[in-house]
Amino acid sequence: DSGVTQTPKHLITATGQRVTLRCSPRSGDLSVYWYQQSLDQGLQFLIQYYNGEERAKGNILERFSAQQFPDLHSELNLSSLELGDSALYFCASSVDIDRGNEQFFGPGTRLTVL
Amino acid sequence: GQNIDQPTEMTATEGAIVQINCTYQTSGFNGLFWYQQHAGEAPTFLSYNVLDGLEEKGRFSSFLSRSKGYSYLLLKELQMKDSASYLCAPVKGGNMLTFGGGTRLMVKP
Repeated sequence: DSGVTQTPKHLITATGQRVTLRCSPRSGDLSVYWYQQSLDQGLQFLIQYYNGEERAKGNILERFSAQQFPDLHSELNLSSLELGDSALYFCASSVDIDRGNEQFFGPGTRLTVL
Repeated sequence: GQNIDQPTEMTATEGAIVQINCTYQTSGFNGLFWYQQHAGEAPTFLSYNVLDGLEEKGRFSSFLSRSKGYSYLLLKELQMKDSASYLCAPVKGGNMLTFGGGTRLMVKP
């Protein structure tokens, strides 16, 4: 158990819908990262937050957005869902953003878009 | 930009040694992580190298050559539970990781 929690564990929805994925980082971790992993694909970095502020963006679609709240939990919002958005979405957290800070991964949310 | 290359699949025998190579081209390089990921599960940390050389941790060791843009993960005394994907991830400033496609290792009896 990494100490990072994600809810829900599974999510099944239809095309065109909107969903929100939630992540609680490890206690004391200030930085949160979101990743997408499609079937047989590598982990794709989406976005990073540090202490409530957006720090870096990766291959995140405009239909996707995220935020980190004052209590440091984070939410990833996916809208106008398409079949290709079906994937495992991982959240990770680290103490800081200095180099070499291990990222601890949550168990992931498996999203299925029908 | 980032370009990471590692073999897609490898097979080895229980009790043997296997070396998983990773080459990368990355701007703002700040070290390299190796993660293990079992199918459908979260990646878990194995090692972090920032200086050239070999870091040993039990059955697993990781090597880095910054000048060559090359790293490898060495797994000794392979066990069946080592069957997993191994992800090479160079890190940039701000602790941003970019993951390669991973190497799927199958350990056979």
